[in-house]
Amino acid sequence: IAGITQAPTSQILAAGRRMTLRCTQDMRHNAMYWYRQDLGLGLRLIHYSNTAGTTGKGEVPDGYSVSRANTDDFPLTLASAVPSQTSVYFCASSDSRSGASEQFFGPGTRLTVL
Amino acid sequence: GESVGLHLPTLSVQEGDNSIINCAYSNSASDYFIWYKQESGKGPQFIIDIRSNMDKRQGQRVTVLLNKTVKHLSLQIAATQPGDSAVYFCAENQPDSWGKLQFGAGTQVVVTP
Repeated sequence: IAGITQAPTSQILAAGRRMTLRCTQDMRHNAMYWYRQDLGLGLRLIHYSNTAGTTGKGEVPDGYSVSRANTDDFPLTLASAVPSQTSVYFCASSDSRSGASEQFFGPGTRLTVL
Repeated sequence: GESVGLHLPTLSVQEGDNSIINCAYSNSASDYFIWYKQESGKGPQFIIDIRSNMDKRQGQRVTVLLNKTVKHLSLQIAATQPGDSAVYFCAENQPDSWGKLQFGAGTQVVVTP
């Protein structure tokens, strides 16, 4: 693994189903983030984690949950998907221990909820 | 709330010309700014960043200018190439936000031959 990876690449999901998007980084970054990207709205923060064992809500957290059991992994779960969650999801990580710094992004997961 | 925004949603540039992408921010306390490039179907890619104690920073073919007086950020791309066609985002960080970035909506740059 080099950098940050996401899985799956894309997914079509029936409304009401549960779905977990996976994110793994090998840079030993303390902070990780989940964004959704919708046309014309840019990147909106869903949840973040400053360190393993802690998480926080971003701008659009409703309908999503995250966990940070270790440094490398930061899965995003949709407990009961709805069509408005159709979007492209990006995971990112950064070394923010000394302040704000560059976030490295994964390739994204394109999710369609029908 | 305060937010980052972009002046132009689409910028058309002739190959070889210089490009200037503008960004306005409204939070005077923001201490870190960053530009990303996103090509179609890919994740955002870091271009250059600047901290609030600087007003200019140069990279390879790119320069970021920060004007704190008017809260304006710009990205200059020299000798624009077809590979520069992408959406460009600016983002800001506020001192108490633990590294969380707030992104603008983006500017589409189209390079024409």
